[in-house]
Amino acid sequence: LAKTTQPISMDSYEGQEVNITCSHNNIATNDYITWYQQFPSQGPRFIIQGYKTKVTNEVASLFIPADRKSSTLSLPRVSLSDTAVYYCLVGDKGRDKIIFGKGTRLHILP
Amino acid sequence: GAVVSQHPSRVICKSGTSVKIECRSLDFQATTMFWYRQFPKKSLMLMATSNEGSKATYEQGVEKDKFLINHASLTLSTLTVTSAHPEDSSFYICSSFELAGETQYFGPGTRLLVL
Repeated sequence: LAKTTQPISMDSYEGQEVNITCSHNNIATNDYITWYQQFPSQGPRFIIQGYKTKVTNEVASLFIPADRKSSTLSLPRVSLSDTAVYYCLVGDKGRDKIIFGKGTRLHILP
Repeated sequence: GAVVSQHPSRVICKSGTSVKIECRSLDFQATTMFWYRQFPKKSLMLMATSNEGSKATYEQGVEKDKFLINHASLTLSTLTVTSAHPEDSSFYICSSFELAGETQYFGPGTRLLVL
């Protein structure tokens, strides 16, 4: 299972775009990249998943370079409610148990 | 996305008692469910993989006789914390993915406090 490395914490302001980068140098050919958001005392919530290039949904974009050794979660125009911990995970989607890294604690300021 | 529920959402018990936590997949069938434990300000730690109709697979360092897992149907897995002690107080979270699914979905978690 590929290990991931993310910044421990980040601060940003309301209305800004926030980019959180995750390193996964040992990602395997079959691995997908998935990001989850977790609020205190809640289970993680799925944000976005991708394999390569760019994926976009209604809440975020995920940028994955050609070598797939890193990925960047982009949150457009964040609000105070985006304050949470964000986890980057890699694995063979739908098959692997997920091993969580430390995540990134994002703090949005007014 | 798919919905996973947990019951109870929080429980307080006395030291030495056993506590059962249920994890249900509400709108899909799940042959595999995962159980995690999370301490304050820490990341989720995988405890075990629950397999429908067979024995659970425990991660290193997790006592299988302490944390009993039963996955009797395709929509229900239970975690029983036996003879709970204060150090077992934690946030327990389950997850699953659909039979033909691609993404893991997590339950809302169960807060256990052992007095």
